[in-house]
Amino acid sequence: GENVEQHPSTLSVQEGDSAVIKCTYSDSASNYFPWYKQELGKGPQLIIDIRSNVGEKKDQRIAVTLNKTAKHFSLHITETQPEDSAVYFCAASGNTNAGKSTFGDGTTLTVKP
Amino acid sequence: NAGVTQTPKFRILKIGQSMTLQCTQDMNHNYMYWYRQDPGMGLKLIYYSVGAGITDKGEVPNGYNVSRSTTEDFPLRLELAAPSQTSVYFCAGAPGHLAKNIQYFGAGTRLSVL
Repeated sequence: GENVEQHPSTLSVQEGDSAVIKCTYSDSASNYFPWYKQELGKGPQLIIDIRSNVGEKKDQRIAVTLNKTAKHFSLHITETQPEDSAVYFCAASGNTNAGKSTFGDGTTLTVKP
Repeated sequence: NAGVTQTPKFRILKIGQSMTLQCTQDMNHNYMYWYRQDPGMGLKLIYYSVGAGITDKGEVPNGYNVSRSTTEDFPLRLELAAPSQTSVYFCAGAPGHLAKNIQYFGAGTRLSVL
């Protein structure tokens, strides 16, 4: 089955700096890669996603890049703000597994004011 | 539109007790999932369903059961609760577009088994 590894497990940045979280996946059949943000006491919420036919996608201060050959994808947050502090999860899924996603173990991002 | 609603939010069980975690969604999603999240860990899939009357095991199904009698409801049953089942449980729904299957999560149920 699919295996997703996420790094780093914790990340602390100064407000205004950039943050990068990286994930690798094992199943070449995976073709959809969402990123979820989980705030304290809440369920994860989708913030951005990318499909395998696209190399990069951007939405305001967040962007995701995908390297299919190397089987890795990354989340980039620019101009970080304290409200970006949360746990971020990457995930991978494919067309043939009932839409199931395999999640990384999460990255706890702390943005210091 | 409430999305995915989970009840209860918190529960403490004694070893050997049983309980049902409720999950209901009003988005008419065909696909529903149950996950557990242990401290500092990712989401592990317990069970999932692709439609009413259809359920299947995920990664960590032992000690749990589910049913899907309607599109809206997907309850998770714990029989003979054990301390290893102390966790936060999340239910999610998804529309079933396999090329872009966004999952919508409930707020979670925090369960302690003592």
